[in-house]
Amino acid sequence: SQQGEEDPQALSIQEGENATMNCSYKTSINNLQWYRQNSGRGLVHLILIRSNEREKHSGRLRVTLDTSKKSSSLLITASRAADTASYFCATASDSGYALNFGKGTSLLVTP
Amino acid sequence: GAGVSQSPRYKVAKRGQDVALRCDPISGHVSLFWYQQALGQGPEFLTYFQNEAQLDKSGLPSDRFFAERPEGSVSTLKIQRTQQEDSAVYLCASSAGSDTQYFGPGTRLTVL
Repeated sequence: SQQGEEDPQALSIQEGENATMNCSYKTSINNLQWYRQNSGRGLVHLILIRSNEREKHSGRLRVTLDTSKKSSSLLITASRAADTASYFCATASDSGYALNFGKGTSLLVTP
Repeated sequence: GAGVSQSPRYKVAKRGQDVALRCDPISGHVSLFWYQQALGQGPEFLTYFQNEAQLDKSGLPSDRFFAERPEGSVSTLKIQRTQQEDSAVYLCASSAGSDTQYFGPGTRLTVL
């Protein structure tokens, strides 16, 4: 069963705009990860944030984590057409190793 | 270096046929995972190996699904007597023991 839920399900923006995706989850976690999946390709790891962290940056990516609300957000700044993909959050529990994925947010960036 | 590779990339099977999907993890990675991704959904966990030991197979949907990793490197996911509901992308991931899992491109299985 899916652990996380991404919001929105689909997002369409123009190049240069920022894109924000949200993820909510249900159980306590050890860490939360964001992955990107382009059409026909596997999942690419973007960023990992641990349960004791509140914010993390990597290039144009900014991730926040609020464990009290069991939610996370992924911000992509200055988006590019190449950012068009599906984005998934995945959680790993304290006792687990398997990742529990949400259904994903489909991002379309138009030139 | 080389990432996780999977073969075949695409497989079409007639209902009732057996299929075998192969995963070559990143060299030296101890942990190996299989996930199933249905159309429009996120991946769902199937099974986990640490070296050659299958430590968790709780996600395998039925006893028609079998996975092995006999020498602690290459893994094979076998599906016997395939059914239409088995149609999905099967993803393999490996990990060095850190939290990050590295995924292969997947095998898209279509059962007719």
